[in-house]
Amino acid sequence: QSVLTQPPSVSAAPGQKVTISCSGSDSNTGNNYVSWYQQLPGTPPKLLIYENNKRPSGIPDRFSGSKSGTSATLGITGLQTGDEADYYCGSWDRDLSAGVFGGGTKLTVL
Amino acid sequence: QVQLQESGPGLVEPSQTLSLTCIVSGGSISSSGYYWSWIRQHPGKGLEWIGYIYYSGNTYYNPSLKSRVTVSIDTSKNQFSLKLSSVTAADTAVYYCARDPFGYNNMDVWGQGTTVTVSS
Repeated sequence: QSVLTQPPSVSAAPGQKVTISCSGSDSNTGNNYVSWYQQLPGTPPKLLIYENNKRPSGIPDRFSGSKSGTSATLGITGLQTGDEADYYCGSWDRDLSAGVFGGGTKLTVL
Repeated sequence: QVQLQESGPGLVEPSQTLSLTCIVSGGSISSSGYYWSWIRQHPGKGLEWIGYIYYSGNTYYNPSLKSRVTVSIDTSKNQFSLKLSSVTAADTAVYYCARDPFGYNNMDVWGQGTTVTVSS
């Protein structure tokens, strides 16, 4: 059971937009930054979003992040088949004094 | 740029200690402000944060693993290590090392991962 809650799967057509939610609590997402990772099959996770809404160098602006209260959202516009991957949110939990992740969301581009 | 590479046995017997090393290249592990992390992923499952060590030596561990985990740093060899004791089949996973610039589960550089199987 993951500390952060994500939908198991989402899907959308190429060119469309999709959002992935990440729900936590006051001890993690409510009071700490949220990061988002993309994991393509057989590869390590890749940082997409940090500090709720910032993109590392090289990440296209098709990817965006937002946070409100204890929930965060990853948005992907202009979907491409190459975006098919597992997406994870992460945060720091002040009560656990540990990093926590969501269970992951599998994105299918139909 | 900084690159990370995990190394260690791919097979560990039950009740033994899993030992992995992460070699850091392209930068100094002693660079201030970085946290050097271990994360694992059980087959077909999500990510699990194991713990990290700050460049100064301070450590933080997942409470569920804390009694069995030790993360250490060797600045002379520019590497850091993971030891997980009393392993069982439940510890079979892909183990990743990663760099966290700020210490709040925000890993910007990852190793390729190494598969560890616990079996006799």
